[in-house]
Amino acid sequence: DVKVTQSSRYLVKRTGEKVFLECVQDMDHENMFWYRQDPGLGLRLIYFSYDVKMKEKGDIPEGYSVSREKKERFSLILESASTNQTSMYLCASSAGGSTQPQHFGDGTRLSIL
Amino acid sequence: EDQVTQSPEALRLQEGESSSLNCSYTVSGLRGLFWYRQDPGKGPEFLFTLYSAGEEKEKERLKATLTKKESFLHITAPKPEDSATYLCAVQVGNTPLVFGKGTRLSVIA
Repeated sequence: DVKVTQSSRYLVKRTGEKVFLECVQDMDHENMFWYRQDPGLGLRLIYFSYDVKMKEKGDIPEGYSVSREKKERFSLILESASTNQTSMYLCASSAGGSTQPQHFGDGTRLSIL
Repeated sequence: EDQVTQSPEALRLQEGESSSLNCSYTVSGLRGLFWYRQDPGKGPEFLFTLYSAGEEKEKERLKATLTKKESFLHITAPKPEDSATYLCAVQVGNTPLVFGKGTRLSVIA
């Protein structure tokens, strides 16, 4: 089974802090994704990566950056956390090539105070 | 403009009461439609991929079907453990998945 592991289930940070969310997958997947999920808004794509050191902006990249130095690891960075970034953050990975499902981690519930 | 619309937003069923969830999409060039189940506090869990109109997939009490404009997730004789939010997503070309907002299903014993 695909295993996508997010480093923290719950995280509390202060406004203005730089926040790192880590995601590791164990299936040698080429593609990795970061979403946030908010009530009434569904899943929204922040950034994605189709290969090591590559990144693409999703629908809501403002205030975020990402890093993919190794194939199995995809990090989401909140450069200067703000209260409107309080959310559930979900990481996913998928195999490359033809249409493949994304497999998700269990999420990080991030609160910015 | 939503490309993927799920209905209803919430559905409450008695145990054993079969029903269907709908996912309609307005994209062209569909490469695949995906169904996921999400339990509270957890990430979405992959259920099915459908690739072309007329295709059907089954898993236990769930059956997913696909037409040119929508997909249905049929739940036969549901049990309380089927309670979850069900998400559908579409893929067009090589772009990332576009998700609907989900249907929150509650099955009451």
